[in-house]
Amino acid sequence: GAVVSQHPSRVICKSGTSVKIECRSLDFQATTMFWYRQFPKQSLMLMATSNEGSKATYEQGVEKDKFLINHASLTLSTLTVTSAHPEDSSFYICSAPAPGLQETQYFGPGTRLLVL
Amino acid sequence: QKEVEQDPGPLSVPEGAIVSLNCTYSNSAFQYFMWYRQYSRKGPELLMYTYSSGNKEDGRFTAQVDKSSKYISLFIRDSQPSDSATYLCAMSPWGAAGNKLTFGGGTRVLVKP
Repeated sequence: GAVVSQHPSRVICKSGTSVKIECRSLDFQATTMFWYRQFPKQSLMLMATSNEGSKATYEQGVEKDKFLINHASLTLSTLTVTSAHPEDSSFYICSAPAPGLQETQYFGPGTRLLVL
Repeated sequence: QKEVEQDPGPLSVPEGAIVSLNCTYSNSAFQYFMWYRQYSRKGPELLMYTYSSGNKEDGRFTAQVDKSSKYISLFIRDSQPSDSATYLCAMSPWGAAGNKLTFGGGTRVLVKP
């Protein structure tokens, strides 16, 4: 199947710093990517929809100034957690629509963020 | 009430048994249904995708959708210890490619050798 990668896989940072997470579609182009957050033993919660060439669409309750999304190219979307705090510690996962199989999405391996 | 309900488990079965998983939902607009498997600290992996009502089989996996009851199921035959994971159902009204998915909470499955 289609491959979506994320970098880094794990990051530990101090409170107040900013962290950038990359999501790449390795062998296909994606005009849309999705960013999810998952807390331990909980399901995925959609944070925002990343659109290449335009602003991201954020879900209700997600602070767009805190979670900056940039869809720089057809294969790369980035999520920047600004001024991170311990409550931002979570598992962040991106997804992209599968090429040729228009009704499904493929997910990245996730990035675990720990804010001290 | 959540849009998609899924028993969190854990569901423990002996190796070789049939694993039965299900989700119920409240939004009658959902037409596209997916099952994902997620190993600990990994991203979800697509297992099955179905559109509207009916059954779909792929190897050891069978997905069923009953839209009249707003109920979907996933069956895993001849379960293996490697099937131990969390299984997430997901659904969407218009097709998942460019639209957001609504997930169930996930069911943790443990297949004991």
